[in-house]
Amino acid sequence: EVQLVESGGGLVKPGGSLRLSCAASGFTFSTCNMNWVRQAPGKGLEWVSLIETGSTNKYYADSVKGRFIISRDNAKNSLYLQMNNLRAEDTAVYYCARDQYIVATIPHDNWGQGTLVTVSS
Amino acid sequence: DIQMTQSPSTLSASVGDRVTITCRASQSISSWLAWYQQKPGKAPKVLIYEASSLESGVPSRFSGSGSGTEFSLTISSLQPDDFATYYCQQYKSYPRTFGQGTKVEIK
Repeated sequence: EVQLVESGGGLVKPGGSLRLSCAASGFTFSTCNMNWVRQAPGKGLEWVSLIETGSTNKYYADSVKGRFIISRDNAKNSLYLQMNNLRAEDTAVYYCARDQYIVATIPHDNWGQGTLVTVSS
Repeated sequence: DIQMTQSPSTLSASVGDRVTITCRASQSISSWLAWYQQKPGKAPKVLIYEASSLESGVPSRFSGSGSGTEFSLTISSLQPDDFATYYCQQYKSYPRTFGQGTKVEIK
């Protein structure tokens, strides 16, 4: 069974930093591109970032570019999101999500349960 | 960036109704479109990928169509479990972008 478990969320002051983790199990992590997607309270979904399997290519939403860094450790089956210079508008539930490639590309075919990040003074 | 616009924002329907949600892209995305269902307090679930391919395990009452800039998600006969919020997402280019969501409510 595919499992994605996020951790590292919490309360942080504006301008602060936080590192989120996502522990993956039940599949071959190193063969899947991985994403972070967030959802502000009562709002819609916002794609945040993607990292390809070998970490060569990373992509970011304009709203986080230059402040957030996505990374992965395939030996530890783990995905990370380093969030710096946090703003109130970064307050959201952060989900990690897998892209699946078998016969076709299936984006975000599995999601974690999410971890809440609150940016407030 | 590619903008995704869904309509309507809210849809009131009854069990057994046929419902259609529309998603429009600001430029052509070929068939690189997915649909997701989200229930309160839960992670989203992918229903449709490549505009019209049904994800494994998703009931056949869900179907997707379209290409280029105009897409739709249809539920042929709405069931109690289908009351939720639905999102489209383009994955043709980065940044990937979601529509603003369509909440399907009980009439």
